[in-house]
Order: sequence, then C-alpha cells, then structure tokens
Amino acid sequence: DAKTTQPPSMDCAEGRAANLPCNHSTISGNEYVYWYRQIHSQGPQYIIHGLKNNETNEMASLIITEDRKSSTLILPHATLRDTAVYYCIVRGVTGTASKLTFGTGTRLQVTL
Amino acid sequence: DAGVIQSPRHEVTEMGQEVTLRCKPISGHDYLFWYRQTMMRGLELLIYFNNNVPIDDSGMPEDRFSAKMPNASFSTLKIQPSEPRDSAVYFCASSLGGQGPIQYFGAGTRLSVL
Repeated sequence: DAKTTQPPSMDCAEGRAANLPCNHSTISGNEYVYWYRQIHSQGPQYIIHGLKNNETNEMASLIITEDRKSSTLILPHATLRDTAVYYCIVRGVTGTASKLTFGTGTRLQVTL
Repeated sequence: DAGVIQSPRHEVTEMGQEVTLRCKPISGHDYLFWYRQTMMRGLELLIYFNNNVPIDDSGMPEDRFSAKMPNASFSTLKIQPSEPRDSAVYFCASSLGGQGPIQYFGAGTRLSVL
C-alpha cells in the first residue's frame, strides 16, 4: 500500500471551508484514496473515496491532483461537530473487502 | 439498520481475569474486523473474518488473544489472561465484500485492566 503523509493538526473557523491535504506520492495506478474520520470517543467513520476524478457527497468533496500524488479533502462549511481526526488511506479495490492501515491522521479543530 | 453493535461499552477488570468482547455486525455484511486503539500505537488491525472464517490474524498480539465468529451475526474477542498493557479501546467493524475497503465501525469497547 502507498504511504500517506498528513499534517498532524489544523485549525478551522466554524462556517469556513476546511481543506485537509494528503500526500501519497507512491500511489499506484489501481489504488484509490479513502478518507475516514474519528470523532472523539467514537469509531472511525467512512467519508469519501476516489480514484482520479474529483468526488463529492453529502459530507465532503475530494480533490485529487492530475498526477494523483496528492489529494485534498474539503469540508465546505465546517461546524464544531466536524472536530475530529481525519485519516487519508490509499488502498486498492479488488472487489473484495480488505484491511485498512490507519496512520496518525490530521487532528482538525473547528473553533467559533 | 442499527449499525455495528459492540458490548460492553466499558469493561474494567483485574489482571489475570478473562475478558470477552462482543460484536454484532451489520446484517448482510460478510467481513468482520477487530481493531485495537491505544495512544502509543494508534489504530491497529488485530484480525478479520470473511464469511465467518478467519482470514488474517497476523495482528493478534499473542496467544492470550483469541477471536471467534460462530455465525454471521456474532463475533467475540477474548483475552485470557488479561494484562494491564491490554488496556485500550477495541473496535469492531463490518463491511460488504463488493464495497472494497469501506468499513462501518462500532462505538468500541473501552477496556481497563488494573
């Protein structure tokens, strides 16, 4: 699996967009980028994933650079409830479930 | 669906005692994962099952740990005997094979071994 690098922490004002970067320079052609988050005292929660096109769902948007070496998770209007640790994971999709390797993630603090 | 259900939410026990953690996966999911989270080591995979069969137990720390999945709706993680270094939050997750690495996690069991 490709290694990912994320900043250890970030701050964001409530109502503003939170842009969380992830570097994955060794990503291979068949590997996807997955994002999970873990709110304090809860289990990790799947957010979004993508291969090379930008993706958007009700929770967030995922922007992947053209060379696929980095990506950005965007929370368009961050709220206090978005305070969490965000994990970027690179993993292939083989049609079957597979184990996830969580790094240290980015601790996002949303403030008033 | 109620999601992945873990019990108990909190467990406090004394060193040497047997501890059993329980998990009910989402109905219809064919994969089940057990993770452990500590401040020092982060979130690490212990073992996972496919169709009730253990597939990879390379993350199980030692023989004191064992996991079973007697049927599609129930799994246990047992520690016998427990030690203070086993104190951690244990998460169970389930997934549907065709969805790839999208897993749904339970709320976790916080274990304290005194």
